[in-house]
Amino acid sequence: DQQVKQNSPSLSVQEGRISILNCDYTNSMFDYFLWYKKYPAEGPTFLISISSIKDKNEDGRFTVFLNKSAKHLSLHIVPSQPGDSAVYFCAASEETSGSRLTFGEGTQLTVNP
Amino acid sequence: EPEVTQTPSHQVTQMGQEVILRCVPISNHLYFYWYRQILGQKVEFLVSFYNNEISEKSEIFDDQFSVERPDGSNFTLKIRSTKLEDSAMYFCASRVTDFSNQPQHFGDGTRLSIL
Repeated sequence: DQQVKQNSPSLSVQEGRISILNCDYTNSMFDYFLWYKKYPAEGPTFLISISSIKDKNEDGRFTVFLNKSAKHLSLHIVPSQPGDSAVYFCAASEETSGSRLTFGEGTQLTVNP
Repeated sequence: EPEVTQTPSHQVTQMGQEVILRCVPISNHLYFYWYRQILGQKVEFLVSFYNNEISEKSEIFDDQFSVERPDGSNFTLKIRSTKLEDSAMYFCASRVTDFSNQPQHFGDGTRLSIL
């Protein structure tokens, strides 16, 4: 299932700098996109989401951008903190087919002090 | 903050045995889900459940799987005759409504190991 893809398995940034995590999707019926963060031995924790009718949503240090024409979304974390080190999952859903989430592979973010 | 609680955290079972994974969703949530993640693979949807019946299930959720909400708090996933390939992390999730802007909240998972 390649409907949601995160091409970078890992990303390393310095504390205080910007982290940019990317996600691509193929299903044009997706109308809601979410980012989850996951620490080891814990479940995914909801971070931020965006509806397909918007192109940006911001919550504190976290901003999600959606480019529908490119079927691409990104998560920006500014400034990055060591506590942000985790696996970040992109997920998508389509209203018409119920509420199942389709996940990407995840990107391991490491923020170095 | 309310949490989704899953037990046990780790379950080891012999192949062919039945296993029940338990979840306590957040108390005012009405929609419940199971997902799994095989080691090194994506998190995959298994089933969604609302109003005491399955809303949607994936092709993974075959006749070996069943879900139940036996009382007002627990939500269980049963695998009737486990196979080696059922070894995975199983995550339960819940949400208060099925509106898109309401995220699913996940438990910490049960690691199922089939021997």
